[in-house]
Amino acid sequence: EPEVTQTPSHQVTQMGQEVILRCVPISNHLYFYWYRQILGQKVEFLVSFYNNEISEKSEIFDDQFSVERPDGSNFTLKIRSTKLEDSAMYFCASTPPGQGLYGYTFGSGTRLTVV
Amino acid sequence: GENVEQHPSTLSVQEGDSAVIKCTYSDSASNYFPWYKQELGKRPQLIIDIRSNVGEKKDQRIAVTLNKTAKHFSLHITETQPEDSAVYFCAATLNRDDKIIFGKGTRLHILP
Repeated sequence: EPEVTQTPSHQVTQMGQEVILRCVPISNHLYFYWYRQILGQKVEFLVSFYNNEISEKSEIFDDQFSVERPDGSNFTLKIRSTKLEDSAMYFCASTPPGQGLYGYTFGSGTRLTVV
Repeated sequence: GENVEQHPSTLSVQEGDSAVIKCTYSDSASNYFPWYKQELGKRPQLIIDIRSNVGEKKDQRIAVTLNKTAKHFSLHITETQPEDSAVYFCAATLNRDDKIIFGKGTRLHILP
């Protein structure tokens, strides 16, 4: 079964530093997403991306966040100046076009620790 | 926007018994309701989903019911086994390719 791949699995960064989280969605999927999950809490929507642009973003996704699909396969989430409260598990997801059999496929996540 | 409430937050059941998790949603336009199982440190995995034009769906020991009028939906797990222990999230969305709004999760413990 195809998978959404995320790298790195764990990233430790100093407060104020920039981080880039990487995702490789499933190849025929057209919709891409980032979600985050603070430890012990629910999964929260950050942003959705379709046709090379943001289609929707939540209030969490402020000016410190950006997404990009630089080369047609990778999908990245950049946090410009990390804060302690950005520490969380970040999940990438993708969905196929139309009403396919399968809905969301989540990646295995990147655990971001800001110190 | 959509809001999904889930309860209970923790549920302990004896192995072999049934477990029921309940959710309500606020946006009557929502029409797709997936359920995810998340084991510690792992990704959420889709276990069952239901569309708004269906009232009930079953897959082996797992079933989901939906009451669109009341805007609530439930997950039923029968003949629970130790490997059912996990956190379960209900969710709602307008369409399969739309953002998913998750409930806060239910930590299910299966007691030996």
